[in-house]
Amino acid sequence: QVQLQESGPGLVKPSETLSLTCTVSGASVSSGHYYWTWIRQPPGRGLEWIGYHYFTGSTNYNPSLKSRVSISVDTSKDQFSLELTSVTAADTAIYYCVGATGHLNPWFDPWGQGTLITVSS
Amino acid sequence: QSVLTQPPSASGTPGQRVTISCSGSSSNIGRNLVYWYQQVPGTAPKLLIFSNSQRPSGVPDRFSASKSGTSASLAISGLRSEDEADYYCATWDDRLSVVFGGGTKVTVL
Repeated sequence: QVQLQESGPGLVKPSETLSLTCTVSGASVSSGHYYWTWIRQPPGRGLEWIGYHYFTGSTNYNPSLKSRVSISVDTSKDQFSLELTSVTAADTAIYYCVGATGHLNPWFDPWGQGTLITVSS
Repeated sequence: QSVLTQPPSASGTPGQRVTISCSGSSSNIGRNLVYWYQQVPGTAPKLLIFSNSQRPSGVPDRFSASKSGTSASLAISGLRSEDEADYYCATWDDRLSVVFGGGTKVTVL
């Protein structure tokens, strides 16, 4: 059973870089079975796909965030990470790490429990 | 504003059938598979339907879904109190992104 767990700072200041890590258990991030994905959800609002990293090094990002986003993988630790630069209050959200099956299909399973990131000075 | 359009709310009494619509366009639903997610408040979303109409193992057959043209729909028959949740549709958009509906809150009266 594949399980995902997000970790991060909780609070980030405006204009700084948000960094989150997802620890994977029950699977290897280099197995090729999943596209390692980040999805976010502003409080009380809907879901927004951020992007994915595949074990080949291939990445794909939401065009609306592409200039600020980077997703990477650490195979030695079975972790994948999200970096989002120049954050504003609009980036306040619950951030979920997700395993996606297929790169053009929103087949998202499993999900981490989510971590709330607040952007505030 | 979401690329896929869902009604913000739907409701029914226990045992009733509730239907949720998801409207898109030729660049998304019209060309790609639709997925549905259930999110109980305070928890992560859960995959409910994949590939337009398929249920993952463990999802009750009270949940069914279909797609026609640029629209999709999710039906919950025999509504139960534990079905009270937010429901989201999702698909790939040929403008290079996964897109979600805005979500529909289902209330069991």
